Amino acid sequence: GAGVSQSPSNKVTEKGKDVELRCDPISGHTALYWYRQSLGQGLEFLIYFQGNSAPDKSGLPSDRFSAERTGGSVSTLTIQRTQQEDSAVYLCASTSVIRTGLFSTEAFFGQGTRLTVV
Amino acid sequence: GIQVEQSPPDLILQEGANSTLRCNFSDSVNNLQWFHQNPWGQLINLFYIPSGTKQNGRLSATTVATERYSLLYISSSQTTDSGVYFCAVEGSGGSYIPTFGRGTSLIVHP
Repeated sequence: GAGVSQSPSNKVTEKGKDVELRCDPISGHTALYWYRQSLGQGLEFLIYFQGNSAPDKSGLPSDRFSAERTGGSVSTLTIQRTQQEDSAVYLCASTSVIRTGLFSTEAFFGQGTRLTVV
Repeated sequence: GIQVEQSPPDLILQEGANSTLRCNFSDSVNNLQWFHQNPWGQLINLFYIPSGTKQNGRLSATTVATERYSLLYISSSQTTDSGVYFCAVEGSGGSYIPTFGRGTSLIVHP
């Protein structure tokens, strides 16, 4: 597609329910990131996928959070048993090339999913 | 991991004024980007600038990698420049994960 697409744009869920957030990266991009932005705060790294390598999950805040990337393209972030502190905007980004060491490229972000846990 | 500090945290300008936003980072980097987050939350790429100087209209950026800082210049500011400006760096240590500063919140009054 023309840009990174995320769905839904907004999600309101009851505390304790599970939610799934979707990210469709730019076609051909091999690297995909999930970030979280709480109200008035900066971006907090959650998880990173690169090609067929094992994902870097070092930013996931708890075992209630998980993510997968099927076929090297679409990614789904799942939050189980949601809590009110999970309320935030969840942002996805993708970049274009396979990492070969020193070369890095520009990251493009989707519009985000605003999650509200009530 | 790498630390990113942005200054000032908040900035209020009158339309037409110029400003300079700064991003300091604690280690050598492979990648540095400036983003503008508009009032609707969308992150807009401004510059991909691991080193050197770039200009795009009223905006320009300079990164001095050896001294570990980058500057974003906004000239003749407009109300549409309002929002939060983020600097994100990717350290050269092989983590491949962009680390964001806390941002500079800019309000431009008409």
